[in-house]
Amino acid sequence: ELKVEQNPLFLSMQEGKNYTIYCNYSTTSDRLYWYRQDPGKSLESLFVLLSNGAVKQEGRLMASLDTKARLSTLHITAAVHDLSATYFCAVDSAYNTDKLIFGTGTRLQVFP
Amino acid sequence: DAGVIQSPRHEVTEMGQEVTLRCKPISGHNSLFWYRQTMMRGLELLIYFNNNVPIDDSGMPEDRFSAKMPNASFSTLKIQPSEPRDSAVYFCASSRDDNEQFFGPGTRLTVL
Repeated sequence: ELKVEQNPLFLSMQEGKNYTIYCNYSTTSDRLYWYRQDPGKSLESLFVLLSNGAVKQEGRLMASLDTKARLSTLHITAAVHDLSATYFCAVDSAYNTDKLIFGTGTRLQVFP
Repeated sequence: DAGVIQSPRHEVTEMGQEVTLRCKPISGHNSLFWYRQTMMRGLELLIYFNNNVPIDDSGMPEDRFSAKMPNASFSTLKIQPSEPRDSAVYFCASSRDDNEQFFGPGTRLTVL
């Protein structure tokens, strides 16, 4: 059974600092997704990573995928308050590529 | 495109009542997913459809829950009878063959 683990679960960081969120998954998969969820809101797609070594950047966020290590990272550069949200990674189910398995989420809080 | 549309956005009902949640996927998407999100259990996949056919309903909690997709542009999730532990936010998402799922705004259900 595919399992997806994120760490940390909670992250409180100061504005201007850098940090990385990690997403590990247990079985082979070629596609990984990052989503953002603001409090009381829906999930918004951030990045789609489709191959080993894929790297995508949007503003202060950069996501990468290492399929051999079964690891994706979401790096935050010079954090600002507007990045405060919960971030989820999700991976294709190994046996049914229509189904995504979501991680537990990382709740990020950026303070001045 | 209007995105995934869900109704109602909020529903408050009494234990034992029937609840019907509705979803209109993005036009052209061929997969539709129903999720439930709670603080305790996180984001859970309840059921998903591909080309209007239910593919995996292993996440449906019990027989009180049922879902239908009579055509490509409409799906319902029904709870009968509802119980207080069903209180949650229910999300509908849709995708095309490339698997990136787009989420609706959610329905916040409260069962008293």
